[in-house]
Amino acid sequence: KQEVTQIPAALSVPEGENLVLNCSFTDSAIYNLQWFRQDPGKGLTSLLLIQSSQREQTSGRLNASLDKSSGRSTLYIAASQPGDSATYLCAVRGGATNKLIFGTGTLLAVQP
Amino acid sequence: DTAVSQTPKYLVTQMGNDKSIKCEQNLGHDTMYWYKQDSKKFLKIMFSYNNKELIINETVPNRFSPKSPDKAHLNLHINSLELGDSAVYFCASSQVHWDPTGEDTGELFFGEGSRLTVL
Repeated sequence: KQEVTQIPAALSVPEGENLVLNCSFTDSAIYNLQWFRQDPGKGLTSLLLIQSSQREQTSGRLNASLDKSSGRSTLYIAASQPGDSATYLCAVRGGATNKLIFGTGTLLAVQP
Repeated sequence: DTAVSQTPKYLVTQMGNDKSIKCEQNLGHDTMYWYKQDSKKFLKIMFSYNNKELIINETVPNRFSPKSPDKAHLNLHINSLELGDSAVYFCASSQVHWDPTGEDTGELFFGEGSRLTVL
């Protein structure tokens, strides 16, 4: 059974810092991994999607990497801004039913 | 123009009532989903439909019945509501994307969520 864990559960950083969010999964037989952002009381916004054949994806100040063999992904946020404050969720897709399994989330607060 | 839209956004009701949440996507996607986010913010899949056909049905009480009249709509009907049904329900959609292994790896797009409170 696939389990997805995110560390840390919460993170507070001053504005301008570079930061890394971690995601680990127990079953490496995944098809893709997706990073989402969720603002309070809002839905999920897709940030980056990495297919299993890819090692990383970049969008603006965001860079996501994927190491399938070790069951890990990282989301790197450069030059953090207060507007980056949100919960970040990673989710992996795969398995017999091709379900998207979510991690526990990291609550990020960027202090001005 | 909202891609995945859900109604209502908030729903407060008494135990034992029956309620429905509607979802529509205008992305032309083939697959739609219902996810439940509990009080600890953990998201778990409930159902998935592909072209109006049920393909994923998690261990969800029979009181929950999804209905897909066409591939752009997936509604969720809940009978005999219980306190434990209080949660945020998210609808999502994806376009089928076949990778070289023959698996669907389409990216998911989510609605804003429907917060259900059962009193």
